[in-house]
Amino acid sequence: AQSVSQHNHHVILSEAASLELGCNYSYGGTVNLFWYVQYPGQHLQLLLKYFSGDPLVKGIKGFEAEFIKSKFSFNLRKPSVQWSDTAEYFCAVNEDSGYALNFGKGTSLLVTP
Amino acid sequence: GAVVSQHPSRVICKSGTSVKIECRSLDFQATTMFWYRQFPKQSLMLMATSNEGSKATYEQGVEKDKFLINHASLTLSTLTVTSAHPEDSSFYICSARERGREDQPQHFGDGTRLSIL
Repeated sequence: AQSVSQHNHHVILSEAASLELGCNYSYGGTVNLFWYVQYPGQHLQLLLKYFSGDPLVKGIKGFEAEFIKSKFSFNLRKPSVQWSDTAEYFCAVNEDSGYALNFGKGTSLLVTP
Repeated sequence: GAVVSQHPSRVICKSGTSVKIECRSLDFQATTMFWYRQFPKQSLMLMATSNEGSKATYEQGVEKDKFLINHASLTLSTLTVTSAHPEDSSFYICSARERGREDQPQHFGDGTRLSIL
């Protein structure tokens, strides 16, 4: 069965610091990869997705992620975080668009002024 | 963009009550809807997958008699928590696959926070 691992459960950064959140998955076949963000009190929003093609994916709000197939990883990055990036970040995987998403446990990011 | 509406957004009720949560696709038809559950400080866990006009497929460990899912039309799926108890308190989120755009990411609703006293 698929599993999704997010290494950091809680991250605290100062504004302007760089961010990298780790995500690894266990499934060996072709997968679709996603990063979602959940701001306090709000619903899940899609940050970015990878289906195929260029393994470096750019998303909204300056986020990007790199798919490294050999490492089964899809880490999320942002060069300079802002206070408004404080949120819960979820990595998710499915093996086909027709399937439900398998979510990681999430990483809580707190950005301090 | 495609919008998924969940109603109610928050419900507080007494133990033993049955609660119905609606998930509607407002501007598209949804071939498949997924129901997830999120406990505090934890991730989303898939509860069931529902396809329009057929019985829902439940994940292992999810009681189908406890969590009744009906997907009667291409724009509406309902989750009924029957005889709810405090341990059913959670955040329930639905998502929908858009008909004709099944290769695109699912659209998520805002979620329903259920609190059982």
